[in-house]
Amino acid sequence: EAQVTQNPRYLITVTGKKLTVTCSQNMNHEYMSWYRQDPGLGLRQIYYSMNVEVTDKGDVPEGYKVSRKEKRNFPLILESPSPNQTSLYFCASSFLPPESDHITRSYNEQFFGPGTRLTVL
Amino acid sequence: RKEVEQDPGPFNVPEGATVAFNCTYSNSASQSFFWYRQDCRKEPKLLMSVYSSGNEDGRFTAQLNRASQYISLLIRDSKLSDSATYLCVVNMNNNDMRFGAGTRLTVKP
Repeated sequence: EAQVTQNPRYLITVTGKKLTVTCSQNMNHEYMSWYRQDPGLGLRQIYYSMNVEVTDKGDVPEGYKVSRKEKRNFPLILESPSPNQTSLYFCASSFLPPESDHITRSYNEQFFGPGTRLTVL
Repeated sequence: RKEVEQDPGPFNVPEGATVAFNCTYSNSASQSFFWYRQDCRKEPKLLMSVYSSGNEDGRFTAQLNRASQYISLLIRDSKLSDSATYLCVVNMNNNDMRFGAGTRLTVKP
Protein backbone atom coordinates (compact mmCIF):
# COMPACT_ATOMS: atom_id res chain seq x y z
CA GLU A 1 0.00 0.00 0.00
CA ALA A 2 1.38 3.40 -1.02
CA GLN A 3 1.72 5.51 2.09
CA VAL A 4 3.60 8.01 4.21
CA THR A 5 4.28 6.84 7.75
CA GLN A 6 5.28 8.89 10.77
CA ASN A 7 6.49 7.81 14.18
CA PRO A 8 5.66 8.37 16.89
CA ARG A 9 2.04 9.40 16.45
CA TYR A 10 1.89 10.97 19.91
CA LEU A 11 4.70 12.25 22.09
CA ILE A 12 4.86 14.13 25.36
CA THR A 13 8.31 15.32 26.32
CA VAL A 14 10.08 17.94 28.40
CA THR A 15 11.93 21.08 27.43
CA GLY A 16 15.44 20.45 26.17
CA LYS A 17 15.22 16.71 25.59
CA LYS A 18 16.29 15.97 22.02
CA LEU A 19 13.80 14.07 19.91
CA THR A 20 13.39 12.79 16.38
CA VAL A 21 10.17 12.24 14.47
CA THR A 22 10.63 9.80 11.62
CA CYS A 23 8.94 10.01 8.23
CA SER A 24 9.08 7.36 5.55
CA GLN A 25 7.41 7.00 2.15
CA ASN A 26 7.28 4.00 -0.17
CA MET A 27 6.29 5.80 -3.38
CA ASN A 28 9.78 6.72 -4.61
CA HIS A 29 8.94 10.41 -4.30
CA GLU A 30 11.70 12.96 -4.71
CA TYR A 31 9.99 15.75 -2.78
CA MET A 32 9.40 15.51 0.96
CA SER A 33 8.42 18.18 3.45
CA TRP A 34 7.51 18.81 7.06
CA TYR A 35 4.69 21.03 8.28
CA ARG A 36 3.36 22.07 11.62
CA GLN A 37 -0.28 22.91 12.17
CA ASP A 38 -1.47 25.28 14.87
CA PRO A 39 -4.99 26.60 15.51
CA GLY A 40 -5.75 29.67 13.43
CA LEU A 41 -2.45 29.46 11.56
CA GLY A 42 -2.99 26.48 9.30
CA LEU A 43 -0.11 24.37 8.06
CA ARG A 44 3.26 26.06 7.93
CA GLN A 45 6.18 24.49 6.11
CA ILE A 46 9.24 23.81 8.26
CA TYR A 47 11.68 22.25 5.82
CA TYR A 48 11.48 20.59 2.47
CA SER A 49 13.75 18.40 0.38
CA MET A 50 13.84 17.96 -3.36
CA ASN A 51 16.10 14.93 -3.30
CA VAL A 52 18.74 13.07 -1.33
CA GLU A 53 21.14 15.45 0.42
CA VAL A 54 19.13 18.49 -0.74
CA THR A 55 17.16 20.35 1.93
CA ASP A 56 15.76 23.87 2.13
CA LYS A 57 14.17 26.00 4.79
CA GLY A 58 10.47 26.61 4.65
CA ASP A 59 8.45 29.23 6.44
CA VAL A 60 9.30 28.32 10.05
CA PRO A 61 12.61 26.42 10.27
CA GLU A 62 13.90 27.83 13.55
CA GLY A 63 14.47 25.16 16.20
CA TYR A 64 14.32 22.27 13.74
CA LYS A 65 16.75 20.20 11.71
CA VAL A 66 16.21 17.65 8.98
CA SER A 67 18.29 15.23 7.00
CA ARG A 68 17.77 13.36 3.74
CA LYS A 69 20.33 10.58 3.57
CA GLU A 70 17.97 8.19 1.80
CA LYS A 71 15.22 8.92 -0.65
CA ARG A 72 12.48 7.30 1.42
CA ASN A 73 13.27 8.87 4.82
CA PHE A 74 13.08 12.46 6.01
CA PRO A 75 13.42 12.69 9.81
CA LEU A 76 12.60 15.86 11.74
CA ILE A 77 14.96 16.61 14.61
CA LEU A 78 14.29 18.89 17.55
CA GLU A 79 17.66 19.35 19.26
CA SER A 80 16.27 21.25 22.25
CA PRO A 81 12.47 21.28 22.19
CA SER A 82 10.61 24.17 23.75
CA PRO A 83 6.93 24.56 24.68
CA ASN A 84 6.28 26.73 21.61
CA GLN A 85 7.02 23.67 19.48
CA THR A 86 3.95 21.94 20.88
CA SER A 87 1.98 21.29 17.71
CA LEU A 88 0.59 18.78 15.23
CA TYR A 89 3.26 17.80 12.71
CA PHE A 90 2.69 16.40 9.25
CA CYS A 91 5.17 14.90 6.82
CA ALA A 92 4.31 14.89 3.12
CA SER A 93 5.80 13.62 -0.11
CA SER A 94 5.23 13.95 -3.85
CA PHE A 95 6.92 13.49 -7.18
CA LEU A 96 8.80 16.57 -8.25
CA PRO A 97 7.67 19.17 -8.69
CA PRO A 98 4.63 19.53 -6.39
CA GLU A 99 2.97 21.65 -9.05
CA SER A 100 0.05 21.73 -11.40
CA ASP A 101 0.45 22.25 -15.14
CA HIS A 102 -2.14 24.55 -16.66
CA ILE A 103 -1.57 23.31 -20.20
CA THR A 104 -1.52 19.56 -19.68
CA ARG A 105 -3.88 19.83 -16.69
CA SER A 106 -1.71 17.46 -14.74
CA TYR A 107 -0.40 17.77 -11.23
CA ASN A 108 1.77 16.09 -8.62
CA GLU A 109 -0.19 15.51 -5.48
CA GLN A 110 1.33 15.77 -2.02
CA PHE A 111 0.53 12.75 0.15
CA PHE A 112 0.49 13.35 3.87
CA GLY A 113 1.37 11.14 6.79
CA PRO A 114 -1.15 10.66 9.63
CA GLY A 115 0.42 13.33 11.81
CA THR A 116 2.41 13.44 15.05
CA ARG A 117 0.96 15.25 18.01
CA LEU A 118 3.82 16.64 20.07
CA THR A 119 3.53 18.22 23.49
CA VAL A 120 6.57 19.86 25.06
CA LEU A 121 6.20 20.56 28.78
CA ARG B 1 -0.14 40.61 4.71
CA LYS B 2 -0.26 36.81 4.91
CA GLU B 3 0.94 35.04 1.80
CA VAL B 4 -2.21 32.94 1.55
CA GLU B 5 -5.43 34.11 3.18
CA GLN B 6 -8.77 32.43 3.62
CA ASP B 7 -11.96 33.33 5.43
CA PRO B 8 -11.86 30.93 8.41
CA GLY B 9 -15.64 30.65 8.55
CA PRO B 10 -17.33 28.70 9.91
CA PHE B 11 -19.78 28.32 7.07
CA ASN B 12 -22.92 26.56 8.27
CA VAL B 13 -25.17 25.58 5.38
CA PRO B 14 -28.14 23.26 4.91
CA GLU B 15 -27.92 20.14 2.80
CA GLY B 16 -28.37 20.94 -0.86
CA ALA B 17 -27.02 24.47 -0.59
CA THR B 18 -24.34 25.95 -2.81
CA VAL B 19 -21.37 27.40 -0.99
CA ALA B 20 -18.28 29.23 -2.24
CA PHE B 21 -14.92 29.92 -0.66
CA ASN B 22 -12.25 32.34 -1.78
CA CYS B 23 -8.54 32.37 -1.13
CA THR B 24 -6.15 35.22 -1.91
CA TYR B 25 -2.40 34.91 -2.44
CA SER B 26 0.28 37.58 -2.35
CA ASN B 27 2.98 36.26 -4.69
CA SER B 28 2.04 37.15 -8.26
CA ALA B 29 4.70 34.73 -9.55
CA SER B 30 2.91 31.72 -8.02
CA GLN B 31 1.96 29.17 -10.63
CA SER B 32 0.41 26.20 -8.86
CA PHE B 33 -2.72 26.15 -6.78
CA PHE B 34 -4.65 23.43 -5.01
CA TRP B 35 -7.58 22.83 -2.73
CA TYR B 36 -7.09 20.23 0.00
CA ARG B 37 -9.66 18.87 2.40
CA GLN B 38 -8.94 18.09 6.05
CA ASP B 39 -11.24 16.20 8.41
CA CYS B 40 -11.05 16.56 12.19
CA ARG B 41 -7.27 17.13 12.50
CA LYS B 42 -6.55 14.19 10.23
CA GLU B 43 -4.09 14.53 7.40
CA PRO B 44 -5.00 16.83 4.50
CA LYS B 45 -6.01 15.15 1.26
CA LEU B 46 -6.04 16.64 -2.21
CA LEU B 47 -9.48 17.74 -3.37
CA MET B 48 -8.52 19.26 -6.68
CA SER B 49 -5.92 21.19 -8.57
CA VAL B 50 -6.78 24.67 -9.88
CA TYR B 51 -5.98 25.52 -13.48
CA SER B 52 -6.07 28.78 -15.42
CA SER B 53 -9.04 27.47 -17.39
CA GLY B 54 -10.85 26.31 -14.28
CA ASN B 55 -11.47 22.81 -13.04
CA GLU B 56 -14.69 20.94 -12.41
CA ASP B 57 -15.09 17.60 -10.68
CA GLY B 58 -18.67 16.60 -10.05
CA ARG B 59 -20.18 19.05 -7.58
CA PHE B 60 -16.89 20.89 -7.10
CA THR B 61 -15.62 23.74 -9.27
CA ALA B 62 -12.36 25.58 -8.78
CA GLN B 63 -11.42 28.85 -10.49
CA LEU B 64 -8.25 30.92 -10.69
CA ASN B 65 -8.25 34.70 -11.10
CA ARG B 66 -4.67 35.77 -11.73
CA ALA B 67 -5.44 39.46 -12.12
CA SER B 68 -6.95 39.66 -8.65
CA GLN B 69 -4.74 36.91 -7.23
CA TYR B 70 -7.38 34.66 -5.82
CA ILE B 71 -8.70 31.16 -6.25
CA SER B 72 -12.18 29.97 -5.47
CA LEU B 73 -13.96 26.73 -4.67
CA LEU B 74 -17.65 26.24 -5.34
CA ILE B 75 -19.55 23.29 -3.88
CA ARG B 76 -22.99 22.62 -5.31
CA ASP B 77 -25.69 20.47 -3.72
CA SER B 78 -23.83 20.20 -0.41
CA LYS B 79 -23.82 16.84 1.35
CA LEU B 80 -23.37 16.11 5.04
CA SER B 81 -20.11 14.40 4.09
CA ASP B 82 -18.76 17.68 2.72
CA SER B 83 -18.36 18.93 6.31
CA ALA B 84 -14.64 19.52 6.71
CA THR B 85 -11.99 22.21 6.62
CA TYR B 86 -10.92 23.29 3.14
CA LEU B 87 -7.32 24.37 2.71
CA CYS B 88 -6.05 26.59 -0.05
CA VAL B 89 -2.48 25.71 -1.09
CA VAL B 90 -0.09 27.77 -3.23
CA ASN B 91 3.30 26.73 -4.55
CA MET B 92 5.32 29.95 -4.21
CA ASN B 93 7.12 29.20 -7.50
CA ASN B 94 10.11 27.59 -5.77
CA ASN B 95 8.51 24.45 -4.31
CA ASP B 96 7.94 26.30 -1.05
CA MET B 97 4.34 25.38 -0.31
CA ARG B 98 2.10 27.79 1.55
CA PHE B 99 -1.22 26.84 3.07
CA GLY B 100 -4.09 29.03 4.05
CA ALA B 101 -5.43 28.64 7.58
CA GLY B 102 -8.46 26.82 6.21
CA THR B 103 -12.18 27.46 5.88
CA ARG B 104 -14.42 25.34 8.03
CA LEU B 105 -17.65 24.08 6.47
CA THR B 106 -20.49 22.40 8.34
CA VAL B 107 -23.38 21.02 6.31
CA LYS B 108 -26.49 20.47 8.39
CA PRO B 109 -29.50 18.22 7.71
